[in-house]
Amino acid sequence: AQSVTQLDSQVPVFEEAPVELRCNYSSSVSVYLFWYVQYPNQGLQLLLKYLSGSTLVKGINGFEAEFNKSQTSFHLRKPSVHISDTAEYFCAVSNRDDKIIFGKGTRLHILP
Amino acid sequence: DVKVTQSSRYLVKRTGEKVFLECVQDMDHENMFWYRQDPGLGLRLIYFSYDVKMKEKGDIPEGYSVSREKKERFSLILESASTNQTSMYLCASSLFGVNEQFFGPGTRLTVL
Repeated sequence: AQSVTQLDSQVPVFEEAPVELRCNYSSSVSVYLFWYVQYPNQGLQLLLKYLSGSTLVKGINGFEAEFNKSQTSFHLRKPSVHISDTAEYFCAVSNRDDKIIFGKGTRLHILP
Repeated sequence: DVKVTQSSRYLVKRTGEKVFLECVQDMDHENMFWYRQDPGLGLRLIYFSYDVKMKEKGDIPEGYSVSREKKERFSLILESASTNQTSMYLCASSLFGVNEQFFGPGTRLTVL
Protein backbone atom coordinates (compact mmCIF):
# COMPACT_ATOMS: atom_id res chain seq x y z
CA ALA A 1 0.00 0.00 0.00
CA GLN A 2 1.11 3.50 -0.71
CA SER A 3 1.67 6.12 1.92
CA VAL A 4 3.05 9.64 2.14
CA THR A 5 4.88 11.15 5.10
CA GLN A 6 5.38 14.86 5.45
CA LEU A 7 7.99 15.12 8.14
CA ASP A 8 7.09 18.58 9.42
CA SER A 9 3.61 19.72 10.33
CA GLN A 10 4.71 23.36 10.53
CA VAL A 11 7.71 25.21 9.14
CA PRO A 12 8.49 28.81 10.14
CA VAL A 13 10.91 30.69 7.89
CA PHE A 14 11.95 34.31 7.53
CA GLU A 15 10.92 36.22 4.43
CA GLU A 16 13.49 35.99 1.61
CA ALA A 17 15.12 32.93 3.22
CA PRO A 18 15.20 29.53 1.48
CA VAL A 19 12.83 26.77 2.49
CA GLU A 20 12.61 23.00 2.09
CA LEU A 21 9.45 21.02 2.82
CA ARG A 22 10.17 17.35 3.21
CA CYS A 23 8.18 14.45 1.79
CA ASN A 24 8.82 10.73 1.80
CA TYR A 25 6.65 8.09 0.20
CA SER A 26 6.35 4.35 0.20
CA SER A 27 5.24 2.33 -2.78
CA SER A 28 6.18 -0.98 -4.29
CA VAL A 29 5.62 0.18 -7.85
CA SER A 30 6.44 3.15 -10.02
CA VAL A 31 4.75 6.30 -8.84
CA TYR A 32 3.60 9.70 -9.86
CA LEU A 33 4.31 12.47 -7.34
CA PHE A 34 2.63 15.80 -6.73
CA TRP A 35 2.84 18.88 -4.56
CA TYR A 36 -0.33 20.88 -4.01
CA VAL A 37 -0.78 24.22 -2.22
CA GLN A 38 -3.81 25.42 -0.29
CA TYR A 39 -4.04 29.13 0.44
CA PRO A 40 -6.29 30.22 3.30
CA ASN A 41 -9.98 29.57 2.63
CA GLN A 42 -9.34 28.08 -0.78
CA GLY A 43 -9.23 24.68 -2.43
CA LEU A 44 -6.02 22.95 -3.45
CA GLN A 45 -4.08 23.83 -6.59
CA LEU A 46 -1.23 21.98 -8.23
CA LEU A 47 2.28 23.36 -7.66
CA LEU A 48 4.17 20.73 -9.63
CA LYS A 49 4.17 17.07 -10.60
CA TYR A 50 6.64 14.31 -11.43
CA LEU A 51 5.45 11.74 -13.93
CA SER A 52 8.72 10.64 -15.58
CA GLY A 53 11.92 12.06 -17.05
CA SER A 54 14.06 14.65 -15.31
CA THR A 55 14.13 14.20 -11.58
CA LEU A 56 14.20 17.96 -10.99
CA VAL A 57 10.75 19.38 -11.51
CA LYS A 58 9.97 23.07 -11.68
CA GLY A 59 6.57 24.39 -10.72
CA ILE A 60 4.67 27.61 -10.31
CA ASN A 61 5.64 30.51 -8.06
CA GLY A 62 9.36 29.63 -8.11
CA PHE A 63 9.01 26.24 -6.40
CA GLU A 64 10.88 23.13 -7.46
CA ALA A 65 11.13 19.55 -6.24
CA GLU A 66 13.57 16.70 -6.72
CA PHE A 67 12.53 13.09 -7.10
CA ASN A 68 15.00 10.78 -5.37
CA LYS A 69 14.08 7.16 -6.03
CA SER A 70 16.76 5.64 -3.79
CA GLN A 71 15.64 7.71 -0.81
CA THR A 72 11.94 7.61 -1.82
CA SER A 73 11.75 11.35 -1.32
CA PHE A 74 10.22 14.28 -3.15
CA HIS A 75 11.23 17.40 -1.21
CA LEU A 76 9.90 20.81 -2.20
CA ARG A 77 12.24 23.81 -2.28
CA LYS A 78 12.16 27.53 -2.90
CA PRO A 79 15.31 29.69 -2.78
CA SER A 80 13.60 32.80 -1.41
CA VAL A 81 10.13 32.86 0.13
CA HIS A 82 7.65 35.70 0.13
CA ILE A 83 4.85 36.51 2.54
CA SER A 84 2.40 35.37 -0.16
CA ASP A 85 3.77 31.83 0.14
CA THR A 86 2.00 31.46 3.48
CA ALA A 87 -0.16 28.38 2.91
CA GLU A 88 -0.49 24.68 3.60
CA TYR A 89 1.43 22.37 1.28
CA PHE A 90 0.45 18.79 0.53
CA CYS A 91 2.64 16.10 -0.96
CA ALA A 92 0.79 13.35 -2.81
CA VAL A 93 1.53 10.05 -4.54
CA SER A 94 -0.27 7.90 -7.06
CA ASN A 95 0.54 4.51 -8.51
CA ARG A 96 -1.28 5.23 -11.76
CA ASP A 97 -4.75 4.08 -10.79
CA ASP A 98 -6.43 7.50 -10.88
CA LYS A 99 -6.43 7.84 -7.10
CA ILE A 100 -4.05 10.10 -5.24
CA ILE A 101 -2.91 9.60 -1.65
CA PHE A 102 -2.24 12.86 0.18
CA GLY A 103 0.11 13.56 3.05
CA LYS A 104 -1.12 15.32 6.17
CA GLY A 105 0.19 18.68 5.07
CA THR A 106 2.86 21.17 6.13
CA ARG A 107 1.93 24.70 7.18
CA LEU A 108 4.46 27.24 5.96
CA HIS A 109 4.66 30.34 8.15
CA ILE A 110 6.57 33.28 6.72
CA LEU A 111 8.08 35.53 9.39
CA PRO A 112 8.68 39.23 8.63
CA ASP B 1 -9.55 27.16 -17.17
CA VAL B 2 -11.08 24.17 -15.46
CA LYS B 3 -13.62 25.21 -12.97
CA VAL B 4 -14.97 23.10 -10.15
CA THR B 5 -17.77 24.68 -8.17
CA GLN B 6 -19.37 23.59 -4.94
CA SER B 7 -22.89 24.60 -3.99
CA SER B 8 -22.06 26.21 -0.65
CA ARG B 9 -18.95 27.61 1.04
CA TYR B 10 -20.44 27.31 4.52
CA LEU B 11 -23.27 25.12 5.75
CA VAL B 12 -24.76 24.59 9.21
CA LYS B 13 -27.03 21.60 9.81
CA ARG B 14 -28.56 19.84 12.78
CA THR B 15 -27.89 16.27 13.87
CA GLY B 16 -30.08 13.83 11.99
CA GLU B 17 -30.70 16.07 8.99
CA LYS B 18 -30.13 14.83 5.45
CA VAL B 19 -27.44 16.91 3.80
CA PHE B 20 -26.63 17.29 0.11
CA LEU B 21 -23.31 18.70 -1.08
CA GLU B 22 -23.20 19.42 -4.79
CA CYS B 23 -20.18 19.63 -7.06
CA VAL B 24 -20.09 20.65 -10.73
CA GLN B 25 -17.16 20.66 -13.14
CA ASP B 26 -17.14 22.27 -16.57
CA MET B 27 -14.30 20.46 -18.39
CA ASP B 28 -15.87 17.13 -19.31
CA HIS B 29 -13.70 15.22 -16.83
CA GLU B 30 -14.41 11.53 -16.37
CA ASN B 31 -13.22 11.30 -12.76
CA MET B 32 -14.74 13.05 -9.79
CA PHE B 33 -13.80 12.76 -6.12
CA TRP B 34 -15.07 13.74 -2.68
CA TYR B 35 -12.60 14.28 0.18
CA ARG B 36 -12.91 15.48 3.70
CA GLN B 37 -10.15 17.58 5.23
CA ASP B 38 -9.52 17.70 8.97
CA PRO B 39 -6.65 19.42 10.82
CA GLY B 40 -3.67 17.12 11.18
CA LEU B 41 -5.26 14.39 9.05
CA GLY B 42 -4.83 15.83 5.57
CA LEU B 43 -7.28 14.83 2.85
CA ARG B 44 -9.12 11.56 3.10
CA LEU B 45 -11.01 10.09 0.15
CA ILE B 46 -14.70 9.42 0.79
CA TYR B 47 -15.96 8.30 -2.64
CA PHE B 48 -14.95 8.62 -6.24
CA SER B 49 -16.52 8.07 -9.63
CA TYR B 50 -15.02 7.14 -13.00
CA ASP B 51 -18.17 7.60 -15.01
CA VAL B 52 -21.84 8.43 -14.87
CA LYS B 53 -23.74 6.20 -12.45
CA MET B 54 -20.47 4.59 -11.38
CA LYS B 55 -19.09 4.98 -7.85
CA GLU B 56 -16.44 3.40 -5.70
CA LYS B 57 -15.78 3.65 -2.00
CA GLY B 58 -12.74 5.48 -0.82
CA ASP B 59 -11.04 5.19 2.54
CA ILE B 60 -13.83 6.55 4.75
CA PRO B 61 -17.24 5.93 3.09
CA GLU B 62 -19.18 5.15 6.27
CA GLY B 63 -22.07 7.55 6.80
CA TYR B 64 -21.91 8.90 3.26
CA SER B 65 -23.37 8.08 -0.14
CA VAL B 66 -22.93 9.66 -3.56
CA SER B 67 -24.82 10.18 -6.77
CA ARG B 68 -23.59 10.84 -10.30
CA GLU B 69 -26.49 11.12 -12.71
CA LYS B 70 -24.70 13.45 -15.12
CA LYS B 71 -21.04 13.57 -16.08
CA GLU B 72 -20.51 17.09 -14.78
CA ARG B 73 -22.22 16.68 -11.41
CA PHE B 74 -21.21 14.62 -8.37
CA SER B 75 -23.24 14.83 -5.18
CA LEU B 76 -22.25 13.80 -1.68
CA ILE B 77 -25.10 12.82 0.65
CA LEU B 78 -25.07 12.57 4.41
CA GLU B 79 -28.18 10.49 5.11
CA SER B 80 -28.32 11.45 8.80
CA ALA B 81 -25.75 14.05 9.74
CA SER B 82 -23.76 13.57 12.93
CA THR B 83 -21.46 15.93 14.81
CA ASN B 84 -18.39 13.89 13.82
CA GLN B 85 -19.10 14.81 10.20
CA THR B 86 -18.29 18.45 10.92
CA SER B 87 -15.45 19.07 8.49
CA MET B 88 -14.24 20.73 5.30
CA TYR B 89 -15.45 18.86 2.21
CA LEU B 90 -13.50 19.16 -1.02
CA CYS B 91 -14.60 18.04 -4.45
CA ALA B 92 -12.12 17.39 -7.28
CA SER B 93 -12.16 16.24 -10.88
CA SER B 94 -9.61 14.89 -13.37
CA LEU B 95 -9.32 13.37 -16.79
CA PHE B 96 -9.20 9.57 -17.04
CA GLY B 97 -5.77 8.21 -16.15
CA VAL B 98 -3.52 9.75 -13.53
CA ASN B 99 -3.74 13.42 -14.07
CA GLU B 100 -3.81 16.56 -12.06
CA GLN B 101 -6.91 16.80 -9.91
CA PHE B 102 -8.69 20.15 -9.98
CA PHE B 103 -10.30 21.16 -6.72
CA GLY B 104 -13.31 23.22 -5.80
CA PRO B 105 -13.15 25.87 -3.06
CA GLY B 106 -14.57 23.53 -0.42
CA THR B 107 -17.66 23.46 1.77
CA ARG B 108 -17.18 23.93 5.48
CA LEU B 109 -19.96 21.91 7.11
CA THR B 110 -20.86 22.29 10.76
CA VAL B 111 -23.27 19.79 12.31
CA LEU B 112 -24.79 20.94 15.59
